[in-house]
Amino acid sequence: SQQGEEDPQALSIQEGENATMNCSYKTSINNLQWYRQNSGRGLVHLILIRSNEREKHSGRLRVTLDTSKKSSSLLITASRAADTASYFCATASNTGKLIFGQGTTLQVKP
Amino acid sequence: SQTIHQWPATLVQPVGSPLSLECTVEGTSNPNLYWYRQAAGRGLQLLFYSVGIGQISSEVPQNLSASRPQDRQFILSSKKLLLSDSGFYLCAWDTGGEMGIQYFGAGTRLSVL
Repeated sequence: SQQGEEDPQALSIQEGENATMNCSYKTSINNLQWYRQNSGRGLVHLILIRSNEREKHSGRLRVTLDTSKKSSSLLITASRAADTASYFCATASNTGKLIFGQGTTLQVKP
Repeated sequence: SQTIHQWPATLVQPVGSPLSLECTVEGTSNPNLYWYRQAAGRGLQLLFYSVGIGQISSEVPQNLSASRPQDRQFILSSKKLLLSDSGFYLCAWDTGGEMGIQYFGAGTRLSVL
């Protein structure tokens, strides 16, 4: 069963605005990862945050993790039309397998 | 550098026909290999994974099977396709390390008619 639940399912913003996506999960994790998927393509790894970390940055991406609430958020700042894609969170546990959320579809209008 | 190849990119097959999707990884040895299926607008469902040659674990009972005849080759098969097998199939690999970051192929769009 899918562990990650993402919110919102779809998000439409103007270029230059910030986009925030949320992910909730159910069980304990080793790390949480975010992936991006352009339409009809494979997933690309964006950023990983370990269970003992609270915040991480990579370029225009900011990820937070709250293990007490079992939730994470991905913030994309100063969005561009090229950021239009689906974004998935994935949790890694001791099973060694990733469990993916249902994804958030982001549309950035130029 | 490591690369993953998945083919074909698109496939249209009649109900009841066989299926063979292939995935190969270059530039690494003994990877963990994964097959996922993605329904339209949905997340990924893990179908099979393999930690070594001939070692296949099935996550979901279904009409599909997987094989790993060589270290860096992963094949998804079916003897008789069903309409419900339509979807977007993704192959992925990781090093088996602690972080579990996966690297994905470009996917195969399968339409069963």
